[in-house]
Amino acid sequence: EAGVAQSPRYKIIEKRQSVAFWCNPISGHATLYWYQQILGQGPKLLIQFQNNGVVDDSQLPKDRFSAERLKGVDSTLKIQPAKLEDSAVYLCASSVGDPETQYFGPGTRLLVL
Amino acid sequence: DQQVKQNSPSLSVQEGRISILNCDYTNSMFDYFLWYKKYPAEGPTFLISISSIKDKNEDGRFTVFLNKSAKHLSLHIVPSQPGDSAVYFCAASARGSNYKLTFGKGTLLTVNP
Repeated sequence: EAGVAQSPRYKIIEKRQSVAFWCNPISGHATLYWYQQILGQGPKLLIQFQNNGVVDDSQLPKDRFSAERLKGVDSTLKIQPAKLEDSAVYLCASSVGDPETQYFGPGTRLLVL
Repeated sequence: DQQVKQNSPSLSVQEGRISILNCDYTNSMFDYFLWYKKYPAEGPTFLISISSIKDKNEDGRFTVFLNKSAKHLSLHIVPSQPGDSAVYFCAASARGSNYKLTFGKGTLLTVNP
């Protein structure tokens, strides 16, 4: 079974630029999550989708972050404009619904200069 | 406000001995707890979980203990193996939260041969 795919794996941008991350979840997984993991911290949920609907985006900085999940499969997370404090690993995860089946991708490491 | 706390950033043990990783939480609404393991450059992987109706759950070399009155849980690994060297995250979710996970900062476990 293929795992959660994410791209790119690494990205370096300058502040005020925009950036987008892509996630392809495990086939058949209805729930998709985006997490932000700052160095030395645990993952923090940014947004949770159920199929193509948003379940929770309470911790998403909506003035600069946006996310969508087209057709209930792939998802993109965008930051525009980026700030220095956005430097982190962005993890995508998917599940069939319960947390024990929450599978994480390898993450995208973003560095904002 | 750190609702899930892992106060030991790192732990070093000898191969074959017991590893004990600790986690404290402050939110009394949490009723489901999980441990994730993370290797460098990979996403976290689910290890073991426990519901608040239990005080112990065992899976092979891994056992999780829950003390609800103290709002404390621990992960025991016996015997520890060098391949167990990784960062371990404690996570918690609350009933009715769509399984939204709140993670601790993680503990780096090093098992020395």
